[in-house]
Order: sequence, then structure tokens, then C-alpha cells
Amino acid sequence: DAKTTQPPSMDCAEGRAANLPCNHSTISGNEYVYWYRQIHSQGPQYIIHGLKNNETNEMASLIITEDRKSSTLILPHATLRDTAVYYCIVRVPGAQKLVFGQGTRLTINP
Amino acid sequence: DAGVIQSPRHEVTEMGQEVTLRCKPISGHDYLFWYRQTMMRGLELLIYFNNNVPIDDSGMPEDRFSAKMPNASFSTLKIQPSEPRDSAVYFCASSFGLDNEQFFGPGTRLTVL
Repeated sequence: DAKTTQPPSMDCAEGRAANLPCNHSTISGNEYVYWYRQIHSQGPQYIIHGLKNNETNEMASLIITEDRKSSTLILPHATLRDTAVYYCIVRVPGAQKLVFGQGTRLTINP
Repeated sequence: DAGVIQSPRHEVTEMGQEVTLRCKPISGHDYLFWYRQTMMRGLELLIYFNNNVPIDDSGMPEDRFSAKMPNASFSTLKIQPSEPRDSAVYFCASSFGLDNEQFFGPGTRLTVL
């Protein structure tokens, strides 16, 4: 699976949009981008995934650049409960593993 | 659905003892995964099953670790003998299909003294 690069930490004010970047410059054409998050002391939670088109669900939006070498996860109106470690993962569907890197520790401040 | 259920939530044991961690996946899910999380190594996949059959155990650290899935609603991860370096949080996850969302349990925090 392609490696991803994420900033180790970010801060965001409550109520603002949180934009979490992820670089995956070596992504191959059939690799999807997945996002999970892990709230302290809990198991990881799926957020969203996509191939090349932008995706949106009730939790977040995923913006993938046209060259697919980077993506941004957007939490439109961050709340304190969104404080968590966010993992960006690339993998081929049918691949054996989700490989979790170090992720981005997002802190939402009141 | 209650989600993925793991037991115990916390386990403290002494080096050399056998430890058994348990997992009940979400009903209807055909994939089950065991992960381990430590500060040093992050979240690592140990093994996963499809329809109760182990598919990939390449992440299992050594022969002291074994996992079984006797039926669709139950899996165990056993460490025998346990060592202090096995101290970690162990997560079980399940999914319907390999590529679909994985649902994680609350984890078992294992401390080996």
C-alpha cells in the first residue's frame, strides 16, 4: 500500500471547519483513500472513503485532488467530540490490510 | 445491534501466564480482525478471518500468539506464555466484506507484569 503523510497534530476552534490534509504521492490508480478516526480509549471508527471523486456523508467530506496525490478530510462544523486521532489510509480493495500510520491528532478547542 | 463485544475490558496478569481475549463480532459480518495497539508501534493487524477461516496471520508476532474462530459469533486470541512486552490494547473488528467499513470493539487493555 502507498505510504501516507499526515501532520502529527492540528488544532481547530469549535464550530469551525476542520481541514485535515493527507499526502499520498505514490498512490496507484486502483488504490482508494480511507479515513478512520480514534477517539481516546475507543476503537477506531470509519469516516469515509473514495477513489477520485469527492465524497460526502453525514460525518465529513473527502476532497481528492485531480492527480490523486493528496486529499483533505473536512469536518464542516467541528465539535469537541471530534477531538481524536485521524488516520488516512490508502489501499487496494481486496487488499489484505488496513495499515494505520501515526495519524493526525486533532484537538477541537472551545 | 450491540456492536462488536470484547471481553475482558481490562486484564492484568503476570509474566508466564496464559491470557485469552474474546470477541463477538456483529451478527452477519463475515470478516473478523484482531489488532494490537501500542505507543511504540501504533495499530497493527495481527490476523483476520473470513467465514471463520484464518486468511492472513502474518502479523502475529510469534508462536506464543494463537487465534481461533470456532463459529461465526466467537473468536479468541490467546497468548501463552505472556510477556511484559505483550502489554497493549487489543482490538477486535468485524466487517461485511473485506472492503467495507470495519467496526471496532472497545478493546482489551492487557498489562503483563
